[in-house]
Amino acid sequence: DQQVKQNSPSLSVQEGRISILNCDYTNSMFDYFLWYKKYPAEGPTFLISISSIKDKNEDGRFTVFLNKSAKHLSLHIVPSQPGDSAVYFCAASHPNTGNQFYFGTGTSLTVIP
Amino acid sequence: SQTIHQWPATLVQPVGSPLSLECTVEGTSNPNLYWYRQAAGRGLQLLFYSVGIGQISSEVPQNLSASRPQDRQFILSSKKLLLSDSGFYLCAWSRAPRTEAFFGQGTRLTVV
Repeated sequence: DQQVKQNSPSLSVQEGRISILNCDYTNSMFDYFLWYKKYPAEGPTFLISISSIKDKNEDGRFTVFLNKSAKHLSLHIVPSQPGDSAVYFCAASHPNTGNQFYFGTGTSLTVIP
Repeated sequence: SQTIHQWPATLVQPVGSPLSLECTVEGTSNPNLYWYRQAAGRGLQLLFYSVGIGQISSEVPQNLSASRPQDRQFILSSKKLLLSDSGFYLCAWSRAPRTEAFFGQGTRLTVV
């Protein structure tokens, strides 16, 4: 049962434009969300997080938006750069899951120079 | 700075053979340690986590086991591999529960 879903397996964006990666979840108890970035043959690296007490968190070119009523979060990358080409995973947890983060299946972003 | 080492990077093993994947963390003490698996077309699935030496929690029933013989060492094992054990295995650590994790390079395991 996939509680965190990334319905777009891939996304292509022109360099300099905005990349928007989406993530939906089914469990309303999720209250903490992470985004990871993964290059081929490497482990994922942490990118940005957001707690459910906020609806937006920014870190440089990366902004994560959380819509709790829609159970939806999105990662915006502005402006997109070729080095952003990677697979992006969202992950969610809730207070009762302890160490468990539920991951989506990932979206492969390609930024075209 | 903290680093995490995981080896080997790739492994091809016959069905029924044993498995041992090792992970070590440097530059921190008493980390939370994790083993994840990513099967084809799936998200990362937490297999085991450990909050201290000898303390292992399993998230899913399976053919695998984990051990933490030292503070910064985490081992994933199997006595007899199944075809369904194929996948990409990732070791990770975090400073505390429900915080961002730092992942190793991963091991691509193919059971044939």
